[in-house]
Amino acid sequence: EAGVTQFPSHSVIEKGQTVTLRCDPISGHDNLYWYRRVMGKEIKFLLHFVKESKQDESGMPNNRFLAERTGGTYSTLKVQPAELEDSGVYFCASSRGRDFEQYFGPGTRLTVT
Amino acid sequence: LAKTTQPISMDSYEGQEVNITCSHNNIATNDYITWYQQFPSQGPRFIIQGYKTKVTNEVASLFIPADRKSSTLSLPRVSLSDTAVYYCLVGALRNTDKLIFGTGTRLQVFP
Repeated sequence: EAGVTQFPSHSVIEKGQTVTLRCDPISGHDNLYWYRRVMGKEIKFLLHFVKESKQDESGMPNNRFLAERTGGTYSTLKVQPAELEDSGVYFCASSRGRDFEQYFGPGTRLTVT
Repeated sequence: LAKTTQPISMDSYEGQEVNITCSHNNIATNDYITWYQQFPSQGPRFIIQGYKTKVTNEVASLFIPADRKSSTLSLPRVSLSDTAVYYCLVGALRNTDKLIFGTGTRLQVFP
């Protein structure tokens, strides 16, 4: 069974530019989550999809961040415009639902210069 | 979700048993205790989960006392590849809610 995959693995952009991160969950997992770790801080929850619906987006820092999951398969997280404080590692996770185990992807390291 | 407290770091040598204790004084009746492991440049990985007493799998054991206000992750005979950050999380099973990570415990295994 393939794991959660994320693309790109690393992205370097300038302040003000736009970046789109992609996450492909494990096949059949209806629940998809985005987390991030900014420099020196703890891993923080961003949002949670159940299929294509946003279940909880309480962790989204501001309206520069937009997450989508069209068709309930892969998800994208767009940052527009990017700011310096957005630098960090963005993790995606998925789960079957109704249990506590979330499977994480390797993360996308975003560097905003 | 209940707040957890763990040591920031621990050192060990290959072949030793490592015990990492987590405090969760305000754990709720419905909460389970889950441990994740994270290697550098990877996402966290589920290790073990329990509710009370003892749980054992092929990777680790989890000891939970009767009051459930703490738990201990036990790694038998660690190897260099067990060097990682270990996170203790507390939350309700069957609640596909957000995970709340603390600072974790950075375990360094030496040869």
